Amino acid sequence: QKEVEQDPGPLSVPEGAIVSLNCTYSNSAFQYFMWYRQYSRKGPELLMYTYSSGNKEDGRFTSQVDKSSKYISLFIRDSQPSDSATYLCAMIGRIQGAQKLVFGQGTRLTINP
Amino acid sequence: EAQVTQNPRYLITVTGKKLTVTCSQNMNHEYMSWYRQDPGLGLRQIYYSMNVEVTDKGDVPEGYKVSRKEKRNFPLILESPSPNQTSLYFCASSPRGGLYYGYTFGSGTRLTVV
Repeated sequence: QKEVEQDPGPLSVPEGAIVSLNCTYSNSAFQYFMWYRQYSRKGPELLMYTYSSGNKEDGRFTSQVDKSSKYISLFIRDSQPSDSATYLCAMIGRIQGAQKLVFGQGTRLTINP
Repeated sequence: EAQVTQNPRYLITVTGKKLTVTCSQNMNHEYMSWYRQDPGLGLRQIYYSMNVEVTDKGDVPEGYKVSRKEKRNFPLILESPSPNQTSLYFCASSPRGGLYYGYTFGSGTRLTVV
C-alpha cells in the first residue's frame, strides 16, 4: 500500500465547474500538508500549505484537511482553462526518526473552454 | 528573481558514460533535494542535503551520488548511467526542509539513457 494515494485521473471538466481533487494517506505521522501545481514541462509550484485540520481558502482555491479520516482535498471554484495542470498533494511527517516528504502521484486536470 | 536553476534541460547519453546534472539556488536555502518523476510513480526523493557537507539518502538513491560543497550548489552525479535511470529529474530547495514555505523546484532535466 502506498503511503499517499491520489487518483491520477485524467480529469476533464468544463470551464466554470467546481473541481475536487483528493488524497488519502495511511500514516498518522504526517502533520503538514501541501498542494502543488505542475504545468507541462515545468517544475511543481506550491499552491497551498496547511498544518491543521480544517479549511484554508486562497482566492478560488480551498484546501481541506481531515486528519481523523486521513484525507485531504483541494477545491477549485470557477475553474479556468489556465488551471489545466497536474496537481500533486504532498505531506511531511517525522517517520523513523527523519523528516520525510511524500508526494501523491498527481492528478492531471483539463479545463475545457 | 528567486529561483532554482538546473542544467541541462535535456540530455541523451549512452549507458555507462558518467554525467553530472547541476543545480543552483539563489535564495540562501539550507535544504536542497533531488527528485525523479516517473509516470505512475510520482515524485520520488533521490538524495537530500540539510546543509553544506551534510547529505543523506532518500527513497531511491541507488546509482546516484551528490555533493554539497557550497550552500547554493547541489549537483547530481550518475557515475555509470543505465536505461532505468531514464526519467525527469527535479532539484528543489527550501529554507526549512519544506516546513511552512514548501519547496521551490527547478524546471527539470529530462534524461534519456540509451
